[in-house]
Amino acid sequence: QSVLTQPPSVSAAPGQRVTVSCSGSGSNVATHFVSWYQHLPGTAPKLLIYDNDRRPSGIPDRFSASKSGTSATLGISGVQTGDEAHYYCGTWDNSLSAFLFGGGTKLTVL
Amino acid sequence: EVQLLESGGNLIQPGGSLRLSCEASGFTFNSYAMSWVRQAPGKGLEWVSGINSDGGITYSADSVKGRFTISRDNAKNTLYLQMDSLRAEDTAVYYCTKDRWISADSSSGRDFWGQGTLVTVSS
Repeated sequence: QSVLTQPPSVSAAPGQRVTVSCSGSGSNVATHFVSWYQHLPGTAPKLLIYDNDRRPSGIPDRFSASKSGTSATLGISGVQTGDEAHYYCGTWDNSLSAFLFGGGTKLTVL
Repeated sequence: EVQLLESGGNLIQPGGSLRLSCEASGFTFNSYAMSWVRQAPGKGLEWVSGINSDGGITYSADSVKGRFTISRDNAKNTLYLQMDSLRAEDTAVYYCTKDRWISADSSSGRDFWGQGTLVTVSS
């Protein structure tokens, strides 16, 4: 069981908006930046969001994120079939002195 | 263009040792922390170990502490992971990642990933 809790799966129809939550605690999400990653099967994971809400160059603005207290949220608007992937949140944990990933959320585009 | 090329993955018996390497190019290697992240079959991503930009500070997950050692050679732009006392549960694809900051305890994100190298621990 991961320290960072994500829903195992979410789904959306093409064109809809979907959100993925990431719940942590005071020793991780509340006190450190959160990043988000997209992992398509057979490929290397890709950084989608860093420093809670910033997009690397090349990441479309359909992807957004926010953080409040011990929770963070990834939003994907205008969902496309190519967005079907696993999504992971990540952050540092002071108590464990370790970087943590959430358990991952599989996005299914209906 | 940032490139991270992992090598060294193999089939190894339980209790054995293996050293993974990651050759980096396209960025100033000695200015960034680096990490290893793995994914076991059917499982999610798991951070394994991180090292700061000058190699002086390292961190490791509890699951590998005392068995795995991360190191780097900034003159060769290469990151290493020495894996000893390997167990079946270490079977995974191991990814080399570039961190966005100089310190390994930064949560700023891992912005570039290699394609991964497969380690299989089995008798």
